[in-house]
Amino acid sequence: SQQGEEDPQALSIQEGENATMNCSYKTSINNLQWYRQNSGRGLVHLILIRSNEREKHSGRLRVTLDTSKKSSSLLITASRAADTASYFCATDLTGGGNKLTFGTGTQLKVEL
Amino acid sequence: DVKVTQSSRYLVKRTGEKVFLECVQDMDHENMFWYRQDPGLGLRLIYFSYDVKMKEKGDIPEGYSVSREKKERFSLILESASTNQTSMYLCAEGARRANSNQPQHFGDGTRLSIL
Repeated sequence: SQQGEEDPQALSIQEGENATMNCSYKTSINNLQWYRQNSGRGLVHLILIRSNEREKHSGRLRVTLDTSKKSSSLLITASRAADTASYFCATDLTGGGNKLTFGTGTQLKVEL
Repeated sequence: DVKVTQSSRYLVKRTGEKVFLECVQDMDHENMFWYRQDPGLGLRLIYFSYDVKMKEKGDIPEGYSVSREKKERFSLILESASTNQTSMYLCAEGARRANSNQPQHFGDGTRLSIL
């Protein structure tokens, strides 16, 4: 089964609205990372949050991590059409040796 | 900026052929990874390498092998291609640190079709 599971699988919003995606995982982690993938392209690293951090910001992105619930959320504020993409969470497991385990992703569509 | 280059964006091969997918990184990093991506399944790790000549199996290594003769280059080999290996293949690299906390950087992917 997948270590990281994103929710929802698909999300459609209007430009200017906020988008929230959630990720749950099963085992102890060193860190959790969020990636973005435009259609037909490779993944781009967005943000990394360590297991001892609870919240992190980068521009319009805000990531939270709750290790007691084994969950994370990615918030994109004031979304733009260019934010349309798939978003993946990835967990770096304790003792995993720099390997990442990816979830199945959330497809975000931002409409004008 | 980190650059990870995959040799082909699109590739069409026939069942039974031996297929080579090449990946080159310019960061002199130790770790390199091969994933395949299929709809509804996300990314799954095939093989990874921590250094030259080193390789370790990921979650789905069956039907694949890898080669890392030089630090910057990591090749994925489909020994005898089958139709169920039709997929998007993604290469990634990352620094190796004892305390982890390193992002991975990806190439643009190779969309491989096996006929």
